[in-house]
Amino acid sequence: DAGITQSPRHKVTETGTPVTLRCHQTENHRYMYWYRQDPGHGLRLIHYSYGVKDTDKGEVSDGYSVSRSKTEDFLLTLESATSSQTSVYFCAIARQGISSYEQYFGPGTRLTVT
Amino acid sequence: EDKVVQSPLSLVVHEGDTVTLNCSYEVTNFRSLLWYKQEKKAPTFLFMLTSSGIEKKSGRLSSILDKKELFSILNITATQTGDSAIYLCAAEGNEKLTFGTGTRLTIIP
Repeated sequence: DAGITQSPRHKVTETGTPVTLRCHQTENHRYMYWYRQDPGHGLRLIHYSYGVKDTDKGEVSDGYSVSRSKTEDFLLTLESATSSQTSVYFCAIARQGISSYEQYFGPGTRLTVT
Repeated sequence: EDKVVQSPLSLVVHEGDTVTLNCSYEVTNFRSLLWYKQEKKAPTFLFMLTSSGIEKKSGRLSSILDKKELFSILNITATQTGDSAIYLCAAEGNEKLTFGTGTRLTIIP
């Protein structure tokens, strides 16, 4: 258990509405990540953060924005949800080792856009 | 573009069999290869490998990395029904992971 929680755990929303997902960690890790997981695509990186107010885009960032105003919270916002954003969203933190980073995942948020 | 390819896509074996899962990668500034197990929830961390030729073991699971040929294998011996899951491989470079699409392993009692 890496002390990661995600909220909400399930959400159904309508096309065109904004949605914010929250990731909260209790271990003061510098790096945090948002992924989406879809059948046939595996886990794909949306955005990541390497410190407060420091974020960067991943492979599938279009239609998503993030914010990190505190070390413990990393927010993912879908500015105007579309059906293609129906997915399972995982947050992760990286535990820095001597030569690399092990990533640990939160429990996930299942988002359905109707 | 960074890429990780896993094979086979799916595998069905009987309890007690030994299985080998494959992972090949092409990642800029590669530093490590990670394996995860995913049942009906979040991926759980199994191994991280950074050095070629050094096997990591945890019970019936073991893994090895070949940095020259850019691949890794995950072995599971004496499989049990609880090993049924999707096994994900990920390669790390520049503090980011690139994941393969996974191998779905099904163990028949």
